[in-house]
Amino acid sequence: AQSVTQPDIHITVSEGASLELRCNYSYGATPYLFWYVQSPGQGLQLLLKYFSGDTLVQGIKGFEAEFKRSQSSFNLRKPSVHWSDAAEYFCAVGATDTGNQFYFGTGTSLTVIP
Amino acid sequence: DTGVSQNPRHKITKRGQNVTFRCDPISEHNRLYWYRQTLGQGPEFLTYFQNEAQLEKSRLLSDRFSAERPKGSFSTLEIQRTEQGDSAMYLCASSQPGQGNYEQYFGPGTRLTVT
Repeated sequence: AQSVTQPDIHITVSEGASLELRCNYSYGATPYLFWYVQSPGQGLQLLLKYFSGDTLVQGIKGFEAEFKRSQSSFNLRKPSVHWSDAAEYFCAVGATDTGNQFYFGTGTSLTVIP
Repeated sequence: DTGVSQNPRHKITKRGQNVTFRCDPISEHNRLYWYRQTLGQGPEFLTYFQNEAQLEKSRLLSDRFSAERPKGSFSTLEIQRTEQGDSAMYLCASSQPGQGNYEQYFGPGTRLTVT
């Protein structure tokens, strides 16, 4: 069965520090992988996606993620965090063999301290 | 392109009442998805449409839930005889798969509170 694990429920970082949010997935076929960000009371905004090809993908707002098939991981990184990055981050895998519904992790809440 | 819109943004209802939510997808997108998100959780898939055809329903979608997309454009999600456990954010997303486009674009959601 498809599943996504985000092991860190909450992370606090200082502004300007680097960030890595972890994501592990379980999926039998070739995964389509996504990271979304959600601000309080809002919908989800796509940060970046991986379908195939280069395993290091660049997204919006200075985020990047690396797909590692051997580790079933798709970790999100940012070299220098801004206070406006405080939000909830969700990793998702798309079910390519069915209707492409997404399976989401439980999210990681990011707090940025000055 | 105005993105995915959902109405209403907030709905408060009493237990036992029926509610209906509307989703307007991005105009050229032929797939439309409904998800439910409870506090502290990620979105969970409910159902999806390819044009007007409802192709899959999650087992989360009880008999009290029904979704339609009559003309392959907007969609409605109705919950009959609401229960307190239905309180959640209901998210709609649309996509146009093919040509390498598999991402889903989400609306702002409808937050339902059942009292």
